[in-house]
Amino acid sequence: QTVVTQEPSLTVSPGGTVTLTCASSTGAVTSTYYPNWFQQKPGQAPRALIYRTSNKHSWTPARFSGSLLGGKAALTLSGVQPEDEAEYYCLLNPSGAAWVFGGGTKLTVL
Amino acid sequence: QVQLVQSGPEVKKPGASVKVSCKASDYSLRDYGLSWVRQAPGQGLEWMAWISNTGGTTLFTQKFQGRLSVTADASTSTVYLYLTSLKSDDTAVYYCVRDSNYCPDYWGQGTLVTVSS
Repeated sequence: QTVVTQEPSLTVSPGGTVTLTCASSTGAVTSTYYPNWFQQKPGQAPRALIYRTSNKHSWTPARFSGSLLGGKAALTLSGVQPEDEAEYYCLLNPSGAAWVFGGGTKLTVL
Repeated sequence: QVQLVQSGPEVKKPGASVKVSCKASDYSLRDYGLSWVRQAPGQGLEWMAWISNTGGTTLFTQKFQGRLSVTADASTSTVYLYLTSLKSDDTAVYYCVRDSNYCPDYWGQGTLVTVSS
């Protein structure tokens, strides 16, 4: 079973920039893993942010961007806002069949 | 406005089964697949299964093989998750997510399933 690894927690100052990463136990993450990113705030359902590595949904704020970085999927937040404090999950499809979520990154804006 | 509306909370005893429904509105099930994802209390997200837009293909995470089924009724725009032989660690919020072309986008509001004796 594939294991997908994210940083457990990160802290960023308001207005700053932070990059969250997502690694796979199967090896380097490529576009064929179709990386997706989600944001979840306490008591709410997750919200989709990025699909297929770098594509934004119509509701995704411009300050969020997705990429591949050093063999991992990455989510970069530029000009972080207080409301960006949340848990962030990546989702990969290593086998072309089953999806696998990462363990989540708790982002604190301080 | 695309919406996925799920059925209400459930309380089940260990060994029982549960059926959770997810009704789609403002789009056709015939055009999009759908995934099921769950989240145990205080834990992360866990992908469980996917059903294709035609209902003809289903995929499951290996750990649920044999006790999970997913079906779709296009006439009522409703997808069902059926989980049997419930255990206490099946206690979780279960979400449906519209999912086609490797682009999970809209989420249901979640259904809390509690397994307790």
